[in-house]
Amino acid sequence: EAQVTQNPRYLITVTGKKLTVTCSQNMNHEYMSWYRQDPGLGLRQIYYSMNVEVTDKGDVPEGYKVSRKEKRNFPLILESPSPNQTSLYFCASRPSYGFNEKLFFGSGTQLSVL
Amino acid sequence: LAKTTQPISMDSYEGQEVNITCSHNNIATNDYITWYQQFPSQGPRFIIQGYKTKVTNEVASLFIPADRKSSTLSLPRVSLSDTAVYYCLVWGSSNTGKLIFGQGTTLQVKP
Repeated sequence: EAQVTQNPRYLITVTGKKLTVTCSQNMNHEYMSWYRQDPGLGLRQIYYSMNVEVTDKGDVPEGYKVSRKEKRNFPLILESPSPNQTSLYFCASRPSYGFNEKLFFGSGTQLSVL
Repeated sequence: LAKTTQPISMDSYEGQEVNITCSHNNIATNDYITWYQQFPSQGPRFIIQGYKTKVTNEVASLFIPADRKSSTLSLPRVSLSDTAVYYCLVWGSSNTGKLIFGQGTTLQVKP
C-alpha cells in the first residue's frame, strides 16, 4: 500500500532531551516536507526537501533540523526540545516538485514537551 | 508566495450544499489551486485541484472565476462524515518547494 509512515504516533518528552521523529514513504517520491499544526494557526511548513540533494527552510524552521540521506526517509530532529514545540506534526511527500502534483500526508505525530 | 484567506468555521446541516470560499489575491499566472480535507486524528488528504473555470470530481466541485483571485469549494449534499477541516493551497512554478497553507475552515455538519 502506498503510504507515508511516521513514528512514533505519540511522544511525551522533557525539555532539552533530543528526539527524532521518523518519516518514510514507499512511493519513490522526490519531494518531502514537514509541518506542524497548532490550534488556530493551521498547517505551517517547517522544512522541505526537493530531492536528496536539496533541503530548505519552510516558514517555521527554528528549533528543528532535518536530514535527507536517502530518498525514502526524511527524519525531523529536535536537538533541544522546548515546550513551545508541543504540537501535532505531519510529514508529507509528492512525486516531484511539479506544481500540479498532490501531497500525501502521514497520520501525524502528537508531541508533548514538558 | 500566494497567501490564502478562508473563513475559520462554517456550520451546515445534512443534505445541504456547502460552499467554502478562499481568497488568494496575489495568485501568480502559473499557480494552481488545491484543496485538502482533514478529518480528526488524520493527516490532510487531497480532494480537488484546478487552474481556471470549473473542475468536478466524485467528491467536490471547484469554481474559479476569470480573475482567479478567489476560488470556491462546493460540497453537494453534505453528510455528517463531511465534518472536517478544509484547507486551500495555492502553489505553482514560483514556489514549488515552500508551501503556505492557510488556517483552514472547520466545517461542522449537523443532523
